[in-house]
Amino acid sequence: DTGVSQDPRHKITKRGQNVTFRCDPISEHNRLYWYRQTLGQGPEFLTYFQNEAQLEKSRLLSDRFSAERPKGSFSTLEIQRTEQGDSAMYLCASSLVGTFSGANVLTFGAGSRLTVL
Amino acid sequence: GQNIDQPTEMTATEGAIVQINCTYQTSGFNGLFWYQQHAGEAPTFLSYNVLDGLEEKGRFSSFLSRSKGYSYLLLKELQMKDSASYLCAVLDSNYQLIWGAGTKLIIKP
Repeated sequence: DTGVSQDPRHKITKRGQNVTFRCDPISEHNRLYWYRQTLGQGPEFLTYFQNEAQLEKSRLLSDRFSAERPKGSFSTLEIQRTEQGDSAMYLCASSLVGTFSGANVLTFGAGSRLTVL
Repeated sequence: GQNIDQPTEMTATEGAIVQINCTYQTSGFNGLFWYQQHAGEAPTFLSYNVLDGLEEKGRFSSFLSRSKGYSYLLLKELQMKDSASYLCAVLDSNYQLIWGAGTKLIIKP
């Protein structure tokens, strides 16, 4: 297993365009998370899936953001009508619930850096 | 509200010891994590504490005091490759990770 893969690594787009990011988690992991991170800040939670079910979505997340995880394998994060404030690193992470009792040890992908012009 | 505080930046000398502190106020507690993040890269897991005390892993140790809402990460025999940001994160009562902003550690020769 090569770990968590994200694609593309970098995306430059114009304001108003739609973008989609893909994440392939570690195959035996059942949870998949999306985070957003800006310079000098910790990761900001966006949403997470357990298998194919989206269990939680951040209340701060705009309706322009949507995520899917068909068949409980890879996941996509789509941002519609991008704004300059969406510029950030989008991180995907996966975990196997039960690795530690009550804990989640996350394995992160390398991230997809979005620049909105 | 939920809050995690870490120093923004620290500087230390190669070969020395540095302690990075983290204080937290969260709704519930199910463990505390430390992650290392090199510039432009993803965070990588360093340690997990759920009981009070010190956990040692090679050059890195992590301490937790639940009554004080306090943890620290201790790095010994610092190497230039330890220059990175160190993120403290707490698993709250909903099993959601609450992240600090990270401490940027600069190692000087």
